[in-house]
Amino acid sequence: RKEVEQDPGPFNVPEGATVAFNCTYSNSASQSFFWYRQDCRKEPKLLMSVYSSGNEDGRFTAQLNRASQYISLLIRDSKLSDSATYLCVVNTGFQKLVFGTGTRLLVSP
Amino acid sequence: NAGVTQTPKFQVLKTGQSMTLQCAQDMNHNSMYWYRQDPGMGLRLIYYSASEGTTDKGEVPNGYNVSRLNKREFSLRLESAAPSQTSVYFCASQTGQGAYEQYFGPGTRLTVT
Repeated sequence: RKEVEQDPGPFNVPEGATVAFNCTYSNSASQSFFWYRQDCRKEPKLLMSVYSSGNEDGRFTAQLNRASQYISLLIRDSKLSDSATYLCVVNTGFQKLVFGTGTRLLVSP
Repeated sequence: NAGVTQTPKFQVLKTGQSMTLQCAQDMNHNSMYWYRQDPGMGLRLIYYSASEGTTDKGEVPNGYNVSRLNKREFSLRLESAAPSQTSVYFCASQTGQGAYEQYFGPGTRLTVT
């Protein structure tokens, strides 16, 4: 089983839609979690950190369910500019992060 | 504020050639990392340096060496490039003081023929 698993997508949604991605992790000792955004041929950029049960930043909400070992990212009122790949990232200790392979989102007019 | 910088942006090597990828950060972070990203594989850790003067292997260290030159700089060396090392290489840094967010450089696209 992979340490971090994501549905690769793509998720095709119209502008204004709400879309949610899930991510599961295998290490129950993981303490901190992140969502990164990666545009085509660019570096990953930090979108949100999830240190407790959840976090909200504008149109973006991240939630953590430790009992079921999954993290979700909800995007409300999708914009064309939200089209990207979203990486689920887990800190497994020893200052190392484990990256999921990403979920691709395509927002259409 | 430049953040994390990497050079070169692009490189083409022939099999057996060597090269060094350079990375520097100006955020006074303690920890630095080298990853490679291949289609469908996600980011894989090659080497990391938790603090100045220390380096450790990651998931895929074979064929690479690193040097933590000082707190700012962390280089990655390919001694004898192979086609399997064709990839996009990202450097990242992290404060290493209880906060685990990492910040990435723009990447180096390496092709080995």
